[in-house]
Amino acid sequence: AQSVAQPEDQVNVAEGNPLTVKCTYSVSGNPYLFWYVQYPNRGLQFLLKYITGDNLVKGSYGFEAEFNKSQTSFHLKKPSALVSDSALYFCAVRSRTNAGNMLTFGGGTRLMVKP
Amino acid sequence: KAGVTQTPRYLIKTRGQQVTLSCSPISGHRSVSWYQQTPGQGLQFLFEYFSETQRNKGNFPGRFSGRQFSNSRSEMNVSTLELGDSALYLCASRAGQTGITEAFFGQGTRLTVV
Repeated sequence: AQSVAQPEDQVNVAEGNPLTVKCTYSVSGNPYLFWYVQYPNRGLQFLLKYITGDNLVKGSYGFEAEFNKSQTSFHLKKPSALVSDSALYFCAVRSRTNAGNMLTFGGGTRLMVKP
Repeated sequence: KAGVTQTPRYLIKTRGQQVTLSCSPISGHRSVSWYQQTPGQGLQFLFEYFSETQRNKGNFPGRFSGRQFSNSRSEMNVSTLELGDSALYLCASRAGQTGITEAFFGQGTRLTVV
């Protein structure tokens, strides 16, 4: 079975400061990892993914994430937060051994960026 | 290129009724998945279809079913609705059948069961 944990329900950060949204995972074998963002009354919007290769992945809107295999983590980061980054963020994992497309999501972290 | 389109956006149904939700994937995408999002349970996988075949099914009762048509459009059906079925139902499409491609989500159908 695969699982994802996002230990913080909410992260508060001041505009212009760096932000980190934490994610740890559990999966058989090597994982495919994803970050999505959800704005109110909208679906999920893809930010970035880790498939293989460089542990630092760069994505949309200045976001990046670092894959750490030993810590089974995939934390989302941004050097300078914007008020418009305020949203709900989801980390997801897919097992490489899973023949299908089943994504397992974390519970989500609400990011609040204050001016 | 048009995104994933889900219809209707909002639905209100009475307990015991049935409902059908529709999803049109991005053109060329053959994989369609469905997820249920609730405040209590978060995002949960319902099922996935690829080329009209169900490839995976989540841990939901048999009241939840789906299908995919030859044009990749997909429908999901919930029979004998319960209050707990109130949720945002999200559809996602992918270009390939391997695990490396990301899923693109529609805006969802908000189902309210009264």
